[in-house]
Amino acid sequence: RKEVEQDPGPFNVPEGATVAFNCTYSNSASQSFFWYRQDCRKEPKLLMSVYSSGNEDGRFTAQLNRASQYISLLIRDSKLSDSATYLCVVTAYGGSQGNLIFGKGTKLSVKP
Amino acid sequence: GAVVSQHPSRVICKSGTSVKIECRSLDFQATTMFWYRQFPKQSLMLMATSNEGSKATYEQGVEKDKFLINHASLTLSTLTVTSAHPEDSSFYICSARTGGSYNSPLHFGNGTRLTVT
Repeated sequence: RKEVEQDPGPFNVPEGATVAFNCTYSNSASQSFFWYRQDCRKEPKLLMSVYSSGNEDGRFTAQLNRASQYISLLIRDSKLSDSATYLCVVTAYGGSQGNLIFGKGTKLSVKP
Repeated sequence: GAVVSQHPSRVICKSGTSVKIECRSLDFQATTMFWYRQFPKQSLMLMATSNEGSKATYEQGVEKDKFLINHASLTLSTLTVTSAHPEDSSFYICSARTGGSYNSPLHFGNGTRLTVT
């Protein structure tokens, strides 16, 4: 089983749609969780951290289910500018400096 | 604004030559920086952890003699790809934490796209 698994997509949605991405991770000892977005041929940029109680940042809502080792990201009212690849990221267990393990990403394409 | 700066953003070199990539932390000191590599349609893979004032820690399968890392100051780490080959063509990205906790997120440089001909 891969350490971090995501549906690669692509998710093609119209503007204004609500879209949800899921992610599962294999290591139950992982401590921290993040969603990054990566635009084509660019570096990843932090979108939001994911907290146990769930958290929201504007149109974005992240959820964590430790028992199921599952993370989700919900985007409401999609904008054209949301088109990107969304990376699910967890801290690596045992890494001396808390290395991050990246999923392959889920590609989102928002159409007019 | 950017907190980690990486240079160059793009480089094309001939097979057999060496390429140096610089990663700088802006307005903060980074005792540790991370070097990742990303091949097309693949996830970011950690290559090595760069430690200021000491040797880098390499991930399994990454040749330390081929990918030389120097972290001589608290704001600068360099990655040198020695005797580059076409299979080394990839997107190389450095990162660092501004927070002290190892659970805090990483901030990435803008990446270096290396093409070896």
